[in-house]
Amino acid sequence: GAGVSQSPSNKVTEKGKDVELRCDPISGHTALYWYRQSLGQGLEFLIYFQGNSAPDKSGLPSDRFSAERTGGSVSTLTIQRTQQEDSAVYLCASSLARGNTGELFFGEGSRLTVL
Amino acid sequence: LAKTTQPISMDSYEGQEVNITCSHNNIATNDYITWYQQFPSQGPRFIIQGYKTKVTNEVASLFIPADRKSSTLSLPRVSLSDTAVYYCLVEGGSYIPTFGRGTSLIVHP
Repeated sequence: GAGVSQSPSNKVTEKGKDVELRCDPISGHTALYWYRQSLGQGLEFLIYFQGNSAPDKSGLPSDRFSAERTGGSVSTLTIQRTQQEDSAVYLCASSLARGNTGELFFGEGSRLTVL
Repeated sequence: LAKTTQPISMDSYEGQEVNITCSHNNIATNDYITWYQQFPSQGPRFIIQGYKTKVTNEVASLFIPADRKSSTLSLPRVSLSDTAVYYCLVEGGSYIPTFGRGTSLIVHP
């Protein structure tokens, strides 16, 4: 497909379980972002990948959250020992470039519910 | 990092023009102003971007005064399908795009 693809679209898990969320960016986009959005809130930045550079992890809320990007393409966001407050929509976006004209293309998101 | 302020919500009616103003008093010289639109259960999508004066595309117009401390997104003749959250971002080369709570626009029949 031509757009950013995220999976799963919905995930229900029990407190304490680990979850993995996947993002397949647009081919050729070097920048990849993860955000999360709680109900009725704005987007909260989590992590940013740019090419082969070290990721900007400044938005990760705790050490239970981690992400990797393999081969400069697909990214996986992992949440260990999930908590109820982790329930949110996790959005992935990719971009050709960072900054002024770097239009972000978002996926549909992965809705995580922690029971 | 330039902070943006925009109304939390707005109401309008079909066929009207809607103007959403965003304040960004400490915008930097190399910052651009970008607006995104988000429908329920979808990720945001880019609407328009500008640096100064006026930019127009098939969806909206963006007005930026000379001092660039604010910007106005103008949606002509809105329809029910324009009901969405609209985000104003100020972006520079070294910034992570920051989305606030946006403006929730509700268009009534």
